[in-house]
Amino acid sequence: DAKTTQPPSMDCAEGRAANLPCNHSTISGNEYVYWYRQIHSQGPQYIIHGLKNNETNEMASLIITEDRKSSTLILPHATLRDTAVYYCTSNAGGTSYGKLTFGQGTILTVHP
Amino acid sequence: GAVVSQHPSWVICKSGTSVKIECRSLDFQATTMFWYRQFPKQSLMLMATSNEGSKATYEQGVEKDKFLINHASLTLSTLTVTSAHPEDSSFYICSARRTSQQPQHFGDGTRLSIL
Repeated sequence: DAKTTQPPSMDCAEGRAANLPCNHSTISGNEYVYWYRQIHSQGPQYIIHGLKNNETNEMASLIITEDRKSSTLILPHATLRDTAVYYCTSNAGGTSYGKLTFGQGTILTVHP
Repeated sequence: GAVVSQHPSWVICKSGTSVKIECRSLDFQATTMFWYRQFPKQSLMLMATSNEGSKATYEQGVEKDKFLINHASLTLSTLTVTSAHPEDSSFYICSARRTSQQPQHFGDGTRLSIL
């Protein structure tokens, strides 16, 4: 299974961009990178995913390096409600069901 | 779109009873549903994967006879914790996805407390 590593915690000022890094050096060519976030006592919320190209949606942007060994999730204008645990994961290759393996994630704290 | 509903959101019951948790995809058909467990201050741990009409695939260390999973339709999966004990107390979360390339969408979880 692909393994991801993320910094345990990050801080960001409200209104600023939050850039959350993720290393996934063992990812294979057909494995997507997915980002989720989890606010306390809730289920994870899907944010964005990508394979090779950079992606953008109404929530965030995803920048994937050309070698696909790392990616960065960008929240362009962080708000206090963006405080959460952010998980970077990928669908496991070699299995037909593409299960996700969650690491410890990054605790993002957005300050006023 | 892609809303997943989980019920109940919390349950408290006595040791030895069985508890059923439902997971529904409200606006899409889910070929695959997943069940996770999360202990306080820890990450999500996958328990099992279920495809509609098939037996669930359990992760190593998860007792299939204790955690019964049924995925009878493309919009409903259930997890039954049989003869629950205090050590089964946890936050149980389901997810569902349309196809293998599409993202999983999660329910809001069920907090289970066994007294």
